[in-house]
Amino acid sequence: EMQLVESGGGLVKPGGSLRLSCAASGFTFNNAWMSWVRQAPGKGLEWVGRIKSKTDGGTADYVAPVKGRFTISRDDSKNTLHLQMNSLKTEDTAVYYCTTDSGVRRDWFDTWGQGTLVTVSS
Amino acid sequence: DVVMTQTPLSLSVTPGQPASISCKSSQSLLHSDGKTYLYWYLQKPGQSPQLLIYELSNRFSGVPDRFSGSGSGTDFTLEISRVEAEDVGVYYCMQTIQLPFTFGPGTKVDIK
Repeated sequence: EMQLVESGGGLVKPGGSLRLSCAASGFTFNNAWMSWVRQAPGKGLEWVGRIKSKTDGGTADYVAPVKGRFTISRDDSKNTLHLQMNSLKTEDTAVYYCTTDSGVRRDWFDTWGQGTLVTVSS
Repeated sequence: DVVMTQTPLSLSVTPGQPASISCKSSQSLLHSDGKTYLYWYLQKPGQSPQLLIYELSNRFSGVPDRFSGSGSGTDFTLEISRVEAEDVGVYYCMQTIQLPFTFGPGTKVDIK
């Protein structure tokens, strides 16, 4: 069974940093493209970014509000996805989900983690 | 960015009755490969989102056949033929024709 478990959320002050992790199991992680999707409290879903598999280049794409502040990386030896978040703003407060990106174009999210809450507040 | 809109934003349905959610995109989601890159997700209360429909009209594995997706270009519809109590939650459409992927604001469905 495919499973994703996020960790690393918590309370951080504006301007601070946090690193989220997503532990994957039940599938071949090194072939997977992975995304982060966030949901502010009581709000809708926002795609944050994704990382391709290393065999497909290993590059990452981001939504404009997080470009230059967030970095997605992967450790295929540990089946783990990371989201390094720097220069955090109050508007980054959200539950962060990791997902597997499936389909021919790797653009549908068929497995989601349970999410981890990030609160940015002074 | 492609802007996604949904109507209505909330919907109260009697069990056994049909329900319909509209989604519109600011540009066509029809790709040159002939596919339409429009997806539907459901987020049940207290749960992570789950994929319902991919590429406009294909039900994901395990999704009941009372759910169907249709539309073309910039106008799309998710229909539930007979709503059941387990269908409550927020439904989101999403486009992947171009980055960044964008979601609609969501339609909250509850039971009368």
